[in-house]
Amino acid sequence: DTAVSQTPKYLVTQMGNDKSIKCEQNLGHDTMYWYKQDSKKFLKIMFSYNNKELIINETVPNRFSPKSPDKAHLNLHINSLELGDSAVYFCASTRLLAGGAYEQYFGPGTRLTVT
Amino acid sequence: KNQVEQSPQSLIILEGKNCTLQCNYTVSPFSNLRWYKQDTGRGPVSLTIMTFSENTKSNGRYTATLDADTKQSSLHITASQLSDSASYICVVRQGSGTYKYIFGTGTRLKVLA
Repeated sequence: DTAVSQTPKYLVTQMGNDKSIKCEQNLGHDTMYWYKQDSKKFLKIMFSYNNKELIINETVPNRFSPKSPDKAHLNLHINSLELGDSAVYFCASTRLLAGGAYEQYFGPGTRLTVT
Repeated sequence: KNQVEQSPQSLIILEGKNCTLQCNYTVSPFSNLRWYKQDTGRGPVSLTIMTFSENTKSNGRYTATLDADTKQSSLHITASQLSDSASYICVVRQGSGTYKYIFGTGTRLKVLA
């Protein structure tokens, strides 16, 4: 069974369009994240949601907006796409463990290409 | 400024050899440190997680060390295999009541036959 799933896996679109990427986890985790991986393979955290509350919102353009309809889903909506938005976007979910540790699972990624 | 720096940026070794990857951080307050392995085109997979009181932790052929005084961590890979070729990312969690994670830029390892 897939723990964290993302759709679509590939997304090619033109500048100026609006698109959404969906993420679902079936682990019952409390917190979900969106990361952006740039061409240098650097992972940058974009958003984090815990029980429908936004915990972290890094310096991400407001064209990006996370939407969490329920605990198991965290979708990423992007308005007015730009060339620089081309990257791989990873969704992840996390559960806190005893002693401050946590387990985190990542989705397979969505490769977004803006032309 | 909270930062996580990794070295080397890339590394090429022969199959069967050992290697050590470095991670230096300036994140404060420190909560825990995690090493991830990320195969090309796939999501990162956690290898180890270390809290303040832990010095060494092993996961098969992977051994991570943490020196909280010098704020350094290392990931040692023993008897490397071709499947070890991947990017290795060091991530430090900041604080105890927040969910802020600082990511390193990663080390790209390539193991040759």
